[in-house]
Amino acid sequence: DTAVSQTPKYLVTQMGNDKSIKCEQNLGHDTMYWYKQDSKKFLKIMFSYNNKELIINETVPNRFSPKSPDKAHLNLHINSLELGDSAVYFCASSQGSNTQYFGPGTRLTVT
Amino acid sequence: QKEVEQNSGPLSVPEGAIASLNCTYSDRGSQSFFWYRQYSGKSPELIMSIYSNGDKEDGRFTAQLNKASQYVSLLIRDSQPSDSATYLCAVNMRGGYQKVTFGTGTKLQVIP
Repeated sequence: DTAVSQTPKYLVTQMGNDKSIKCEQNLGHDTMYWYKQDSKKFLKIMFSYNNKELIINETVPNRFSPKSPDKAHLNLHINSLELGDSAVYFCASSQGSNTQYFGPGTRLTVT
Repeated sequence: QKEVEQNSGPLSVPEGAIASLNCTYSDRGSQSFFWYRQYSGKSPELIMSIYSNGDKEDGRFTAQLNKASQYVSLLIRDSQPSDSATYLCAVNMRGGYQKVTFGTGTKLQVIP
C-alpha cells in the first residue's frame, strides 16, 4: 500500500501550458505539503495545508495554486508554465509537526 | 546566513568507517530536528528525529543535538556502500507552524 502517492510521475509540457499534479495520502494525516526540488537538489516548501486549510504559503508565483478537497488530497495546479518551473515536485504529509512522509515525486519538464 | 546549513560534499569515506554529517541552523528557538536520506531519483525518507540535547541512537545511526551551539549531526557507523546518498538536515523552526526548513544536503559516498 502506497502511503503518499502522486500522479503523474513524469510530466513533459510546453511553455505556456497549464498542468496539474495530484497527491493522495492514506496515512490519516492532517497536514499535507508541496515541495519543489530544483536541479541543485534544494528542497523548498511551497505550500502546506492543515485539515484543508492553507497554513503555509511561501513566496511562490500566483501561477501556482494548491487545492485541498479533503484531508487526504492536495493538488497543485500550475498556469502558464515557464522553463524555470522545471523541477521535481514532492508531496508530503504529516500528523501535526511530526515526521513528514514524502510521495515519489513528479518530474516536471517544461520545454 | 542560511537558515539551515550543510556542507554539500561529497563526503567520501571507506567502507566500515564512521561517516560524520554536520548541520547548523540559525533559529535558536528551533525545537525539532530531522535527518532524511535521499537516494538519487528517489524521495526523501526519514532516518532520525531528535528533539532534546544529547545523543539518540538507532542501529548504526546516531543523531547528536547541541542547541546552545545550534548544531545537529548524524554519525553513521560501519558505513556501507548502500549508505551512499544525499543526507538532508531539516529543522522545524520556531514560529513556523509545521514549517520544516531543509538544508541543501550532504552527498555521502562510501567507497568499497
